[in-house]
Amino acid sequence: SYDLTQPPSVSVSPGQTARITCSADALPKHFAYWYQQKPGQAPVLVIYKDIERPSGIPERFSGSSSGTTVTLTISGVQAEDEAEYYCQSADSSGSWVFGGGTKLTVL
Amino acid sequence: QVQLQESGPGLVKPSQTLSLTCTVSGGSISSGDYYWSWIRQPAGKGLEWIGRIYTSGSTKYNPSLKSRVTISVDTSKNQFSLRLSSATAADTAVYYCAREDVAVTAGGFDIWGQGTMVTVSS
Repeated sequence: SYDLTQPPSVSVSPGQTARITCSADALPKHFAYWYQQKPGQAPVLVIYKDIERPSGIPERFSGSSSGTTVTLTISGVQAEDEAEYYCQSADSSGSWVFGGGTKLTVL
Repeated sequence: QVQLQESGPGLVKPSQTLSLTCTVSGGSISSGDYYWSWIRQPAGKGLEWIGRIYTSGSTKYNPSLKSRVTISVDTSKNQFSLRLSSATAADTAVYYCAREDVAVTAGGFDIWGQGTMVTVSS
């Protein structure tokens, strides 16, 4: 099976920059997407096509891609950004796959 | 704006078929260039994509579930549905329906239902 690898957890203090990575061999061939999920809620799309931000998502959320790794960057982290973050991409068959998730803790 | 709402039994017996429906409101399921997907999440775990359907009726399923999954669409009711046969405890999860905007997000799920919990137990 195709795996997207994320760190289980990332911790930052308010106002700092959080970087969450997602790695897989096929990421250079397919777009990546990022979701924020708070407890008891459905996921929310925060980045699509590697770097694009949907309307309504704060500018402090940005995405980047380099080789087999994509990165979600949250600049000036706020307490409300504490959540689980998931990356998504496609495998070789074109099926969607999600990463295992990263718990962002705002200290 | 477009909203999605899942519905169906919250309890399914082992070996039976899990059936859920997603109702689309605020817009026609047939208009625009969209895929309609099912995604699930066991308690405390990550997301798993189950499959999707296009408004033409064409489908694509997660290979790990393909033998047990059927997704269909009823445009007259503005709904799409999931059937997962031979359910086991491993299928216990929150099930989400979601929209994939082919033209804009090109793969990103921009609208999600609130999710519905399904437990497989006797």
